[in-house]
Amino acid sequence: KNEVEQSPQNLTAQEGEFITINCSYSVGISALHWLQQHPGGGIVSLFMLSSGKKKHGRLIATINIQEKHSSLHITASHPRDSAVYICASNAGGTSYGKLTFGQGTILTVHP
Amino acid sequence: NAGVMQNPRHLVRRRGQEARLRCSPMKGHSHVYWYRQLPEEGLKFMVYLQKENIIDESGMPKERFSAEFPKEGPSILRIQQVVRGDSAAYFCASSDQGDGGYTFGSGTRLTVV
Repeated sequence: KNEVEQSPQNLTAQEGEFITINCSYSVGISALHWLQQHPGGGIVSLFMLSSGKKKHGRLIATINIQEKHSSLHITASHPRDSAVYICASNAGGTSYGKLTFGQGTILTVHP
Repeated sequence: NAGVMQNPRHLVRRRGQEARLRCSPMKGHSHVYWYRQLPEEGLKFMVYLQKENIIDESGMPKERFSAEFPKEGPSILRIQQVVRGDSAAYFCASSDQGDGGYTFGSGTRLTVV
C-alpha cells in the first residue's frame, strides 16, 4: 500500500523567503504530482515528474527516486502563494490517475 | 478551451435525497477521475472512467454511490439516499491519456442537512 507523507503540515513565512515543502512516499511510483489548492477553491496541477527537476516561474520541484522523496521549492515567496500544497503519487504499479494524496501543507506568506 | 467544468459548485441536500454531480472534461479528454475530500481530511481517489466504461472503482463506497461517463454528455457521480457523512468536496479531473497530466475542476461542495 502506498503511503504519502508531507512535511511540514503548516508553514508560515515572510514575503521574500525561500520555502521548501517535503514529500515522501513508500512504494515505487510512476509519477509524483504537486498540486495547489486555495481555500474553498479548485485544485491546480503544478508539476508532474518522474525524475530529476522541473521549474516553472518561481516554483521548482525535484524528485529523488532512490530515496522516494520529492521537494517543492518556492523562491521569493509572495502572499499570493498562500495556499495548501499537496503531493500525490500514482499508486504502485498504476500509471493512471489512481492517485494517493498527502495530507497537504498549509502555507501562509505574510507581507 | 474551457477547463474541467463541474456543476453545481455548491449543493445542499436533505438526508435521504439523491445528489447528482456533473463533470465535463476538457475538450479532447476521454479519461475522467473522481476524488473526494472529506472535511479535515485529504483527497481520496474514488473512480476512474473512460467513455462508457468504468475502469477502476476501487475507491468508491459499495453502496449508494455510482458513476457513469456516457458517450455523449458529462460524467455523473450519483449518490443515493445521502447521509451527513457524505458532506464533502468532490473533485473531478480529466486527462487525454491515462498516464498524462491531470486537469482538475473547481469541485462540488456537497452539504447534507
